[in-house]
Amino acid sequence: KAGVTQTPRYLIKTRGQQVTLSCSPISGHRSVSWYQQTPGQGLQFLFEYFSETQRNKGNFPGRFSGRQFSNSRSEMNVSTLELGDSALYLCASSFRLAGGFNEQFFGPGTRLTVL
Amino acid sequence: AQTVTQSQPEMSVQEAETVTLSCTYDTSENNYYLFWYKQPPSRQMILVIRQEAYKQQNATENRFSVNFQKAAKSFSLKISDSQLGDTAMYFCAFSYNDMRFGAGTRLTVKP
Repeated sequence: KAGVTQTPRYLIKTRGQQVTLSCSPISGHRSVSWYQQTPGQGLQFLFEYFSETQRNKGNFPGRFSGRQFSNSRSEMNVSTLELGDSALYLCASSFRLAGGFNEQFFGPGTRLTVL
Repeated sequence: AQTVTQSQPEMSVQEAETVTLSCTYDTSENNYYLFWYKQPPSRQMILVIRQEAYKQQNATENRFSVNFQKAAKSFSLKISDSQLGDTAMYFCAFSYNDMRFGAGTRLTVKP
């Protein structure tokens, strides 16, 4: 079974630009979550999509948005990039249970650098 | 809001010895999931071990075991017979509606 894939793996942008990251979950997984990982803030939850609907959202500004398609693939978009948006963006897919995640499978991440 | 605290930013252990990583969490929920994830240097995050809160028995996976103390809201990870390949960042995570991670413990296994 193929794992979670994320594209692109590396990205360099300049302040003010926007960026779109893509995530393909494991086949059969309908839940996709996005996380931002930085040395200073650790792993922070951005949002979760389940069956094309945003189910949960972390404490990030509206510049961070996402969507999920009918095949469960997900994209996240960051508009008006700031230097502080430089981070590793991780996508994770899962079977979604009523009381939480049974297990999340992580992709390799997209390393975003904002200059 | 649920929070997860890992009070040991860095730890080291000699190869073949045992090390315990600490994790505490705060929640008012009764049924939830707890996890330990491992992130080797420049590599993908992978699940080490999982514990369902309704299970009293501590989870074990080969050399990895947990000490789950629900009343104390404590969830520590014990690694026995440490190997060089165990060198990684270890994240404790709590799941109810979403997944919350601790800040991580950087573990170095020394030869």
